[in-house]
Amino acid sequence: SQQGEEDPQALSIQEGENATMNCSYKTSINNLQWYRQNSGRGLVHLILIRSNEREKHSGRLRVTLDTSKKSSSLLITASRAADTASYFCATPFTGGGNKLTFGTGTQLKVEL
Amino acid sequence: KAGVTQTPRYLIKTRGQQVTLSCSPISGHRSVSWYQQTPGQGLQFLFEYFSETQRNKGNFPGRFSGRQFSNSRSEMNVSTLELGDSALYLCASSLESHSSYEQYFGPGTRLTVT
Repeated sequence: SQQGEEDPQALSIQEGENATMNCSYKTSINNLQWYRQNSGRGLVHLILIRSNEREKHSGRLRVTLDTSKKSSSLLITASRAADTASYFCATPFTGGGNKLTFGTGTQLKVEL
Repeated sequence: KAGVTQTPRYLIKTRGQQVTLSCSPISGHRSVSWYQQTPGQGLQFLFEYFSETQRNKGNFPGRFSGRQFSNSRSEMNVSTLELGDSALYLCASSLESHSSYEQYFGPGTRLTVT
């Protein structure tokens, strides 16, 4: 079952604009991860934010985490057509190992 | 360094048959996880293997099984295929069996059951 929901389900923007995606989860976490998937292919790890971090940056990506609200957001600044993909948040099983529970995903389309 | 490879990439099977999918992790990675992705259920965890032992298991019927070999390569098997098993099957490898280590996903095997 899904750990949580992502919002919006789909987002269409113009190149150069910023894109913000939100993720909510249900249980306590050690960290939260964001992944990108291009058109039904493999997932690419984007960024990991630990539960004691509030914000993290990686290039044009900014991730925030609010553990009190059990939510996270991913901001892509100055988006490009190549950013067109589905974006998923994922939370690991707190019992150990690499088991991830994924959100429902946001489909981002960046138009020229 | 070569990435995670999955074979075959595409597969068409008939209901009732069985199928074996293969995953070769990145060299040196000891953890391999499998996921099923469908439009209806999204991405769902199947199982994780670490040092040839199943570390975690998702909520799937016993028709779904897997194993890991001493070289960390992994296979998953689905017996008595059902139409609902049509999906993209993804495997991911990681250095260790801990969520703080980045997971690298393969391109997936797209299974169609007719």
